Amino acid sequence: AQSVTQPDIHITVSEGASLELRCNYSYGATPYLFWYVQSPGQGLQLLLKYFSGDTLVQGIKGFEAEFKRSQSSFNLRKPSVHWSDAAEYFCAVGAGSSASKIIFGSGTRLSIRP
Amino acid sequence: DADVTQTPRNRITKTGKRIMLECSQTKGHDRMYWYRQDPGLGLRLIYYSFDVKDINKGEISDGYSVSRQAQAKFSLSLESAIPNQTALYFCATSGGQGASTGELFFGEGSRLTVL
Repeated sequence: AQSVTQPDIHITVSEGASLELRCNYSYGATPYLFWYVQSPGQGLQLLLKYFSGDTLVQGIKGFEAEFKRSQSSFNLRKPSVHWSDAAEYFCAVGAGSSASKIIFGSGTRLSIRP
Repeated sequence: DADVTQTPRNRITKTGKRIMLECSQTKGHDRMYWYRQDPGLGLRLIYYSFDVKDINKGEISDGYSVSRQAQAKFSLSLESAIPNQTALYFCATSGGQGASTGELFFGEGSRLTVL
C-alpha cells in the first residue's frame, strides 16, 4: 500500500523568499505524484503532477516540483512567495491502474510573513 | 453551477442517527471518491468507485457505507453516527484517462457535526 509523509506541519516564510515543502512517499512501483493547494475555506486545487518523463515538473502559480526516485521524494518549490500563497498544501500519491487509488499526506500549512 | 455538487453543505446531527451525504457530478467522469478531512490528518480516503458495480474500500471505511446510484451520483452513509465522525467530507471525481489521469476534481465539502 502506498503512503505519503509531509514532515512539516507549519512553515512560515517572508514574502519574496523562496519556499520548499517536503514530501516523501512509499510505493513499490513508479507512482503518480500530485501537489494540491487548499486556500482557507476552499476546496482543493491541483498545482502540478508527475507521471513519467522529466523529473522536474512545472505547475500553476509559479510552483515546481522535482521527483527524486532515490530519495522517494517529491518536494514542492517556489522561488519567491506572495502573500496569496498562504494556504495548506497537500502531497498525494496515486497507485494502481491509472492512479485509481489516491492517498494524501497530512498537509503543510504555509504562512507568509509581510 | 459547480461540476461536483455536494449536499448538504452543513449538517448537525446527534449520536446514533443515520446520515447520508450526496454527491453528483456533471463532468462525465467514471471515478468518484469520498474523503474526510480532519485538522492535522489531511484527507483520508473512505471509499472510491470506478463505476456503479465497482466500489472499493479506502483507508478508513469502517462505520461508513456508499452507494453508486448512477455514473453521476455517489452517496456516503453513516448508519449510526458517532462524535468522532465529525469532520469535513469531500467528494471528488477523476477521469482516469489521458493527460488528466489521476487529477481529482473536488466538491465544496460537507461539514458534518455529530453531537
